[in-house]
Amino acid sequence: AQSVTQLGSHVSVSEGALVLLRCNYSSSVPPYLFWYVQYPNQGLQLLLKYTTGATLVKGINGFEAEFKKSETSFHLTKPSAHMSDAAEYFCAVSRPGTASKLTFGTGTRLQVTL
Amino acid sequence: NAGVTQTPKFRVLKTGQSMTLLCAQDMNHEYMYWYRQDPGMGLRLIHYSVGEGTTAKGEVPDGYNVSRLKKQNFLLGLESAAPSQTSVYFCASALTGGNQPQHFGDGTRLSIL
Repeated sequence: AQSVTQLGSHVSVSEGALVLLRCNYSSSVPPYLFWYVQYPNQGLQLLLKYTTGATLVKGINGFEAEFKKSETSFHLTKPSAHMSDAAEYFCAVSRPGTASKLTFGTGTRLQVTL
Repeated sequence: NAGVTQTPKFRVLKTGQSMTLLCAQDMNHEYMYWYRQDPGMGLRLIHYSVGEGTTAKGEVPDGYNVSRLKKQNFLLGLESAAPSQTSVYFCASALTGGNQPQHFGDGTRLSIL
């Protein structure tokens, strides 16, 4: 079985501040990890993914995440928030050999204030 | 390039009615998925398909049926709608399994009265 925990259902940052969205996972085998973003009334869009190799993964819109096996974490960061980053963010995990079935966290809504 | 298209975008049903949600993808993807999204619960997998003519149950399959008669289409059916099925439904597709990311449609907002 696998699961994902996203700490903080709502996070508020000022424009230009660091964005840190937390994700911890559990998996019995080395997982594949994903971050998706959802803008209002839209579907989910892939931000970045970790499969194998380099543990620091860079994605779109200036976001990056670091896979830390010892901490079972995959936190999402962005050095400087922009108003356009306001959205809901989902962390998800899948396992090799499971038809890419994703288990999602409950999401974190990011608010960016002036 | 349309990607993943869901039809309809909105629908209101009465309890006991039936309906079918259509998902179409034009990326020649093998794998397709149906999720439901409820407040505070993230997305949960209903059914999925690993190729034309195949279907399998996900985490919350009860009350739903699916069919994948053509590679590009994945249909989700509600035979007798219940208020508990009020949700936003998302379809997704992936090239193959493994580490391939899923591509999502814009969702169908379904209300059951």
